[in-house]
Amino acid sequence: DTGVSQNPRHKITKRGQNVTFRCDPISEHNRLYWYRQTLGQGPEFLTYFQNEAQLEKSRLLSDRFSAERPKGSFSTLEIQRTEQGDSAMYLCASSFTGGSEKLFFGSGTQLSVL
Amino acid sequence: AQTVTQSQPEMSVQEAETVTLSCTYDTSESDYYLFWYKQPPSRQMILVIRQEAYKQQNATENRFSVNFQKAAKSFSLKISDSQLGDAAMYFCAYRSEYFTGNQFYFGTGTSLTVIP
Repeated sequence: DTGVSQNPRHKITKRGQNVTFRCDPISEHNRLYWYRQTLGQGPEFLTYFQNEAQLEKSRLLSDRFSAERPKGSFSTLEIQRTEQGDSAMYLCASSFTGGSEKLFFGSGTQLSVL
Repeated sequence: AQTVTQSQPEMSVQEAETVTLSCTYDTSESDYYLFWYKQPPSRQMILVIRQEAYKQQNATENRFSVNFQKAAKSFSLKISDSQLGDAAMYFCAYRSEYFTGNQFYFGTGTSLTVIP
């Protein structure tokens, strides 16, 4: 169990640029979640995968956001045409069916849009 | 939608003393799970303790215990013998029993300071 891995840890970009984050869940976990956290707030749900299927997306996820989980393994979250309001910590978490409903989180990717 | 409220933005405790963090939630469901997560300065969320709503017995994990009051929809975390390493943000979270996709709802957190 190597834990949930997220890359990069930090990303600084200019407004209007595209960014992509990667999450590698714990290997036997079939569920993968993306959350966004801004300063002073708790994590807010963005989207959820069970295996390779994206089962739910939050209304927070505008058309500029897209997430994939090919082959049910790692996942990517892409933000197109970034805006300053996208600046936040993007957290990935994973769990497995029957795993006592526990979420295991990665260390997050801190995005700063200048 | 379910809401989770943490009314204490900041708390402090003397080292070796006991502190209680409050959490209330709103739901119409009868079966669900409640969690406390810790987020240290490294920002990685770590599970502290978990409670199933159908269990009357309060969960305990070493120095951490909860006071679960289902009727009052209250779920407080007690940290005994506080240590410097307990300093962190603490988030209360709710998860529905029923598979609806996004089951996890988080509160806004309580920042805990441990005074040496």
